Amino acid sequence: AQSVSQHNHHVILSEAASLELGCNYSYGGTVNLFWYVQYPGQHLQLLLKYFSGDPLVKGIKGFEAEFIKSKFSFNLRKPSVQWSDTAEYFCAVNARGYSTLTFGKGTMLLVSP
Amino acid sequence: EPEVTQTPSHQVTQMGQEVILRCVPISNHLYFYWYRQILGQKVEFLVSFYNNEISEKSEIFDDQFSVERPDGSNFTLKIRSTKLEDSAMYFCASSASMANTGELFFGEGSRLTVL
Repeated sequence: AQSVSQHNHHVILSEAASLELGCNYSYGGTVNLFWYVQYPGQHLQLLLKYFSGDPLVKGIKGFEAEFIKSKFSFNLRKPSVQWSDTAEYFCAVNARGYSTLTFGKGTMLLVSP
Repeated sequence: EPEVTQTPSHQVTQMGQEVILRCVPISNHLYFYWYRQILGQKVEFLVSFYNNEISEKSEIFDDQFSVERPDGSNFTLKIRSTKLEDSAMYFCASSASMANTGELFFGEGSRLTVL
């Protein structure tokens, strides 16, 4: 079975600071990787996903993530955060051929204006 | 934009009572899921449903849980006899295809509090 670990449970940044949220997974086979975001009071929304091809994927709202296979990592980045990025961010993975998503514990990002 | 809707948004119940959480998936989607998140913990997979039957379920999804698609639009999660540890946020999701090729769309969640 796969597992996902997110290194930071809470991150506090000032506006315009750069963001990197760590995500590592463990699974011996081929995986698909996702980052979801949950804004306060809203549902989980897909930020970006990686299935194959270019390991650097770009998502909505200026977010990007890089899949490093050798490190089993899929870190989320944004060069300059905004107050509206305050949300909880979840890394998720599923094994190729299976529908079940396994989520990390989430990282709560607070951006101060 | 089409969305997954869930009702109720919050339900408080006594231990041992039955609870039904309702979901209306996106209309042309074929795959349906329930996940839950206990406060401070991970979002956990409960069950997936396709073609009117369970396609996959986790260890959490024991005999106390059941899912049903009673009509063409609703997808329900029933907990027969709630326990304190069932208190969580329950998320419904739907997908046009299996998650390995498609995106899951989540509802806003139903918060269940068991007293």
